[in-house]
Amino acid sequence: EVQLVESGGGLVKPGGSLRVSCTASGFTFSKAWMSWVRQAPGKGLEWVGRIKSKSDGGTTDYAAPVKGRFITSRDDSKNTLYLQMNSLKTEDTAIYYCTTDDYYDSSGYHPGWVYWGQGTLVTVSS
Amino acid sequence: DIVMTQTPLSSPVTLGQPASISCRSSQSLVHRDGNTYFSWLQQRPGHPPRLLIYKISNRFSGVPDRFSGSGAGTDFTLQISRVEAEDVGVYYCMQSTQFPWTFGQGTKVEIK
Repeated sequence: EVQLVESGGGLVKPGGSLRVSCTASGFTFSKAWMSWVRQAPGKGLEWVGRIKSKSDGGTTDYAAPVKGRFITSRDDSKNTLYLQMNSLKTEDTAIYYCTTDDYYDSSGYHPGWVYWGQGTLVTVSS
Repeated sequence: DIVMTQTPLSSPVTLGQPASISCRSSQSLVHRDGNTYFSWLQQRPGHPPRLLIYKISNRFSGVPDRFSGSGAGTDFTLQISRVEAEDVGVYYCMQSTQFPWTFGQGTKVEIK
């Protein structure tokens, strides 16, 4: 069974930092391209950033509101995805989900947005 | 950024009746590889999103066949042939053709 389990959310003051994690099981994590998506309370979905597999370069892309402040990384030996969030703002308050992104490998196309974690709540408030 | 505009934003429907949601993108979603990376997601209350449709019209494994997707270029539609109680939730269109990936505002489907 595929599982994505986020952890590390919590309350942080504006300007502070926090790292959330996403531990995967049940699929070949090392091949997957992964994204972070967030959802502010009562609001819609917002894409945050993506990381490719290491075999595809491990490069990252970010949405403009978080670029330069957030960094996503992965440790394939631990099947874990990370999101380091720095210089946090009140508008970063949201549930943060990790999910699989679209990618191609030797077995073909893998549609994104198939597997999601339950999310971890990050609250930025003084 | 590509703007995704959904209509309607709210859709009260009668059980057993059809429902339709439209999504328009501000520019073509055809990727240089010839594919259109357009998806529909469902989010039930208190749950993470769930993939329904990918690449415009491909129903993901396990998704009931009452859900269907259509469209091309900049105009797309999700149809539910006969709404069931479990279909209540918010439906999002999204594109992953051009960075940044973007979502529609969401359409709330509720039972009349």
